Parts: sequence; C-alpha cells; structure tokens
Amino acid sequence: GAGVSQTPSNKVTEKGKYVELRCDPISGHTALYWYRQSLGQGPEFLIYFQGTGAADDSGLPNDRFFAVRPEGSVSTLKIQRTERGDSAVYLCASSLTGGVGYTFGSGTRLTVV
Amino acid sequence: GENVGLHLPTLSVQEGDNSIINCAYSNSASDYFIWYKQESGKGPQFIIDIRSNMDKRQGQRVTVLLNKTVKHLSLQIAATQPGDSAVYFCAESPNAGNNRKLIWGLGTSLAVNP
Repeated sequence: GAGVSQTPSNKVTEKGKYVELRCDPISGHTALYWYRQSLGQGPEFLIYFQGTGAADDSGLPNDRFFAVRPEGSVSTLKIQRTERGDSAVYLCASSLTGGVGYTFGSGTRLTVV
Repeated sequence: GENVGLHLPTLSVQEGDNSIINCAYSNSASDYFIWYKQESGKGPQFIIDIRSNMDKRQGQRVTVLLNKTVKHLSLQIAATQPGDSAVYFCAESPNAGNNRKLIWGLGTSLAVNP
C-alpha cells in the first residue's frame, strides 16, 4: 500500500487479556520499528526488525511483550496478561534500511480497563 | 516566536511569522538528528534530518540548525501557516549501523493563530 497500515485503530481490552496489534509496512521497506507513545510524551522504542529477524528488542518492557515478522512484511505485536499501564498508542514505522526518515502508521490506541 | 524547548512546551505564533522550536539532545554519539511533526490522532511525520557533520540544512520552508558544542538543535519554520499547527518532536539516532532506532525529546506544541 501507499502507507503504513495499523489495525485495529482502537482496542479496548480487560486487564489480564491477550491482545495482538498488526502492522502492514510499506512494500519494500525492510526495516520495521515498533514504538509506544503515552499521552503528552514522545514515542518510546520497543523493537526493530530487519527483514524477518528482531535485530534489537531492547525496548520491550518485559516478557509479556513479543513481536514477530515471519515473512519480512507484516508484523504483529503481542501483549500477554495486559495491565492498565500498557494503555498507550502503539506506533509502527517502516523505512529503507539505514534510513532515519521513517513512515509511521496512525497507531493503535490500546486501552486496558 | 521562539521556544526554549523543555521549559516551554507550547509555542503560539501569528500566521505568517517565523517559528523557532528548540531542542536539547543528550547523546554525543548520535550521528543523525531528526524533526518530526505530529498532528492529533496521527503518527509522526518526518520533516527533515541533519547529519552530525553538518551545522545547517534547509528544506521547503524549514531550516534545521545543529550546535554540537552545546548539544542543541533547532527547527525554523518560515511564514508559519495554520496547517503547521501540531506537536513537533526532535529525535536523535545513535550510530548503530542499520539500526536507526530513535531517542525522542518531549515535544513542543505549535499553535498558529490566523
């Protein structure tokens, strides 16, 4: 597609539930990033994929968070046993390898109640 | 109008005036510095970047200045328009090969008055 697509745009879930957030990057972009943004803050790095592999997952806050990109295109961020503190906008971005000019999706707003 | 970054997160300017948004960064090893614009409900949008071996770069209506001595970055917007109203973030990219994860500043909200 023309841009980065993220689904769903909004997700409300109960504390303790499992959620999956999907990112469809720009075709041909090998680098894919996940960030998390809390209200009034700048985005916080979570994980970087180069192709199919997670090259840097140092930003994942704990082992409840996991992400995959099995075919080097679509990526899924998975959160187990959600907590209220996980509420945020989860942003996905893609770029050509080594580029700092990302294209971001509009994000998934996750609310844990 | 001019904003001094972290201490004044909101900048209000008149349409047609020039805007200056300031940012302090922390990592001397960063080799790229970037400005993004974020409108409400949308993801950040890339504006312009500058490499650490440069001190000035110009784009369409925007200029980025880098002062490595004091670790300061600024974004100048010429003839500010209502469509420029948004939150502006500076970000830095530590030199890590193909991994271009970004470290983001707190953001400055720019309001353009017609």
